Amino acid sequence: DGGITQSPKYLFRKEGQNVTLSCEQNLNHDAMYWYRQDPGQGLRLIYYSQIVNDFQKGDIAEGYSVSREKKESFPLTVTSAQKNPTAFYLCASRKTGAGNTIYFGEGSWLTVV
Amino acid sequence: AQSVTQPDIHITVSEGASLELRCNYSYGATPYLFWYVQSPGQGLQLLLKYFSGDTLVQGIKGFEAEFKRSQSSFNLRKPSVHWSDAAEYFCAVGGLPGGTSYGKLTFGQGTILTVHP
Repeated sequence: DGGITQSPKYLFRKEGQNVTLSCEQNLNHDAMYWYRQDPGQGLRLIYYSQIVNDFQKGDIAEGYSVSREKKESFPLTVTSAQKNPTAFYLCASRKTGAGNTIYFGEGSWLTVV
Repeated sequence: AQSVTQPDIHITVSEGASLELRCNYSYGATPYLFWYVQSPGQGLQLLLKYFSGDTLVQGIKGFEAEFKRSQSSFNLRKPSVHWSDAAEYFCAVGGLPGGTSYGKLTFGQGTILTVHP
């Protein structure tokens, strides 16, 4: 089945460590996104990529990094510089020409311990 | 900058009752508009979307939404709520092609729906 796969579903990190969240899609979508979700704050855009080897900062990019070496993959690294990393992270993708319809993965929970 | 407001943080309805979730947006033109639903600990599922044309759009699970340009609103409705509709609902706005916000969505803070039997 086509879809967006995020892994791991649950991740625990010690303070001061970097951690990478995986996002893979087999929908042949051109654009990919990372959102962060905190209770009562909706979703906030971290980074997005419209094409391979190119990406842009979203509204809350500080403390995060991404790469887009393949069309199917858009991993997110939460660095030790991120002050409050405990959150639910959602990856999404969109096919160019399909309006603005964005489809989401199932999310990854990151907890800093 | 575009923005979305969902005035109701939490709504409780009885099963079988009608439902309306409010959404107001701020944008320089008529944007693309979306409603998503999220079950606890899950990703977001697209319910419906408005790009242009008929201002009343039908979605999945019996939901519909009406775009009102004069009120900058895109309220979500359902005539009869089922217990399985309990979830969090998000309204989102997307920028038009050629604009700096094209391809990105801005979300409201969400409305949590509780359904009583």
